[in-house]
Amino acid sequence: KAGVTQTPRYLIKTRGQQVTLSCSPISGHRSVSWYQQTPGQGLQFLFEYFSETQRNKGNFPGRFSGRQFSNSRSEMNVSTLELGDSALYLCASSLEGEAFFGQGTRLTVV
Amino acid sequence: TQLLEQSPQFLSIQEGENLTVYCNSSSVFSSLQWYRQEPGEGPVLLVTVVTGGEVKKLKRLTFQFGDARKDSSLHITAAQPGDTGLYLCAGEPPSGGYQKVTFGTGTKLQVIP
Repeated sequence: KAGVTQTPRYLIKTRGQQVTLSCSPISGHRSVSWYQQTPGQGLQFLFEYFSETQRNKGNFPGRFSGRQFSNSRSEMNVSTLELGDSALYLCASSLEGEAFFGQGTRLTVV
Repeated sequence: TQLLEQSPQFLSIQEGENLTVYCNSSSVFSSLQWYRQEPGEGPVLLVTVVTGGEVKKLKRLTFQFGDARKDSSLHITAAQPGDTGLYLCAGEPPSGGYQKVTFGTGTKLQVIP
């Protein structure tokens, strides 16, 4: 059974640009959550999607958005990138409360 | 908002020593998970505990869920360098709502050979 796949693994962007990250959950998992992880703030919840609907949202500005497709694959988008957006972005798919994480996308904003 | 506090925040020990990491909350959880994360990788699920007072063992790791399902501990016996990593606990809120899983603040463990 394939795990959670995130693409790309690494990304370098310039301030002001936008970026789209992709997440393919484990087959059969309908819940996908996104997290931002930085050394100073730890693991911070961005949003959760379930059956194409945003079910929960963390405390992040509107520049951070996401969506989920009918096949449960999810994307998150960050517009007008800032230096502080540099982080490891993790996606997790869930079934019955247990979250299974992808390897993450390391985003560096320069 | 449900919060999970982990202690200690950092731990550096010699190979062969024992250690315990704590995960505490004032909220009740229907289940609690422990994850280990290595640098640059996503967290990997180690165990899920569901019943108050439950104890689970995974080789040299022993996990316990508090009787009131508000706290948990992770005990590592004879730590090895391969145990180095960030340990995260995560709690699932009681069923009936759409509240998200809450992650703890993390414990960074370094085992020195």
